[in-house]
Amino acid sequence: DQQVKQNSPSLSVQEGRISILNCDYTNSMFDYFLWYKKYPAEGPTFLISISSIKDKNEDGRFTVFLNKSAKHLSLHIVPSQPGDSAVYFCAASGTGSGGSNYKLTFGKGTLLTVNP
Amino acid sequence: GAGVSQSPSNKVTEKGKDVELRCDPISGHTALYWYRQSLGQGLEFLIYFQGNSAPDKSGLPSDRFSAERTGGSVSTLTIQRTQQEDSAVYLCASSPGPPLQYFGPGTRLTVT
Repeated sequence: DQQVKQNSPSLSVQEGRISILNCDYTNSMFDYFLWYKKYPAEGPTFLISISSIKDKNEDGRFTVFLNKSAKHLSLHIVPSQPGDSAVYFCAASGTGSGGSNYKLTFGKGTLLTVNP
Repeated sequence: GAGVSQSPSNKVTEKGKDVELRCDPISGHTALYWYRQSLGQGLEFLIYFQGNSAPDKSGLPSDRFSAERTGGSVSTLTIQRTQQEDSAVYLCASSPGPPLQYFGPGTRLTVT
């Protein structure tokens, strides 16, 4: 039972345009969401996060939107650059009290290709 | 500063052999996690260490898997009697506090 889903295995966009990566989750106990970027043969690199008390978080070219009622989040990259080409993972964490281990539950990732 | 390091970067082993994977977390990070990524899959949680508390082993797939963390720093993940389905990239992450985690480059394990 996948609790975090990234339904698009791949996405291709032109340099300079917007990239939108989507993520859906099923567990209402998740209250923190993170996006990681992964290049081949490297570990995931933290990109941006959002708490469930917010609906938007922006950092430079990267913006994450959270729709709690729809259990959906998205990552917007504007403008997209060829160096953004990587696999993007959506991850969720439950930070409630009571012994939570704060483990991250990951989606399967979306391969973004930004064409020059 | 130095990030999370893992060794070896690649390991090829024969089915039935034991392997040890090492993780050096970021200095000062009290929490340490192990995940694995099988082909075409997302990262799967294995085990969690927090300070001197008993580890959370709820993600370990079988009793062939074990891990320890010595002195609150370096961790080793041991897989006994390896099977072909153990082939994956094993990733270690350390954390200064929830929920942010910083990942190492991983160890690619191939069981032949």
